[in-house]
Amino acid sequence: QVQLVASGGDVVQPGTSLRLSCAASGFTFTNYGIHWVRQAPGKGLEWVATIWYDGSIEKYADSVRGRFTISRDNSNNMVYLQMNGLRGEDTAIYYCARDWGRGDSGYIEYWGQGTLVIASS
Amino acid sequence: DTQMTQSPSSLSASVGDRVTITCRASQDISKWLAWHQKKPEKAPKSLIYATSALQNGVPSRFSGSGSGTDFTLTISNLQPEDFATYYCQQYASYPQTFGQGTRLEIK
Repeated sequence: QVQLVASGGDVVQPGTSLRLSCAASGFTFTNYGIHWVRQAPGKGLEWVATIWYDGSIEKYADSVRGRFTISRDNSNNMVYLQMNGLRGEDTAIYYCARDWGRGDSGYIEYWGQGTLVIASS
Repeated sequence: DTQMTQSPSSLSASVGDRVTITCRASQDISKWLAWHQKKPEKAPKSLIYATSALQNGVPSRFSGSGSGTDFTLTISNLQPEDFATYYCQQYASYPQTFGQGTRLEIK
């Protein structure tokens, strides 16, 4: 079965960096795009970033563009989210999720468990 | 960006009831709408895609309809496990966007 396990969340000071990881299994990883979606405390779901199946295209929400970078390692079925210049408003549970297709559909077919990021002094 | 507006923001109902949640897009998204279910401390779960297609394993009491800018999620014969928050998501274009959520509570 499809499994997506996010890790790397932590409590960090504003302005610092953190890298989240997403380990994928149960499907042919190289065929699918991967998304990061977050949920701030008491708020709704917010799409953060997407990477195409082959890593050729990356998409970002305006709120994180220039600070966050999504990448993937197709040899090890991993996706990463490098977060720099963290702000208080980045505090959220971060979910990695699988696209229905190569990344261009945008439809999230499977969700993984999340990892909590807290940016606070 | 396409804005998604759900109504109501919260809803109380009883087991066995039929409920309808509405999602309106700020521009035409054709049929490219999904519904996701979120329970506290759990990962979201995809229920419906392309407006009305049920994901594998989703009970038939869930149904979706609409097109263009107006969409609905209907849950018939509510079961205890259905009490959760529901989000619509448009994926007609990036950035994909979610509605603000509808919290379905037990009356």
